Amino acid sequence: DSGVTQTPKHLITATGQRVTLRCSPRSGDLSVYWYQQSLDQGLQFLIQYYNGEERAKGNILERFSAQQFPDLHSELNLSSLELGDSALYFCASSVEGGGEQYFGPGTRLTVT
Amino acid sequence: QQPVQSPQAVILREGEDAVINCSSSKALYSVHWYRQKHGEAPVFLMILLKGGEQKGHEKISASFNEKKQQSSLYLTASQLSYSGTYFCGTYGGSQGNLIFGKGTKLSVKP
Repeated sequence: DSGVTQTPKHLITATGQRVTLRCSPRSGDLSVYWYQQSLDQGLQFLIQYYNGEERAKGNILERFSAQQFPDLHSELNLSSLELGDSALYFCASSVEGGGEQYFGPGTRLTVT
Repeated sequence: QQPVQSPQAVILREGEDAVINCSSSKALYSVHWYRQKHGEAPVFLMILLKGGEQKGHEKISASFNEKKQQSSLYLTASQLSYSGTYFCGTYGGSQGNLIFGKGTKLSVKP
């Protein structure tokens, strides 16, 4: 158990819908990262937050947005969902930017 | 710039050794190694920092050649539990984000 929690574990929704994925980092970690992993694909970095502020952005679609709240939990919002958005979404946290990252169990999103 | 890992896949017998390589076209601040077992989340193995400081796993070692912008992960006397996909991640700088390679799938057979 990494100490990072993600909810929900599974999510099935239809095209065009909007969903919110939630992540709670390890106690004491200030950085939160979001990754997308498609079937048999690597980890695609989406976005990083550090203590409530956006720190770095990867290949995140305009339909996707995220935020980190004062209690340091983070949410990833995915809207106008397409079939291609079906993937495993991981959240990771670290004490600081650049340190070892601890991954949550992931949220498996299926868009039908 | 995504780091390049090689080989893409390797099959070993228990007790055999393996080397996984990771190279980047950019100057590196640090290299991270993670292992992901099927259906699970990636797990941190090791960080190699510019300047030679190494943190990590007790049974797996790694090297970091800053000049060549390369890192290698060494798995010796492999065990069944070593099976999984190994990802290297590279940092261009302390303010940047970690970029992962496509992974190396390691299968250890009895």
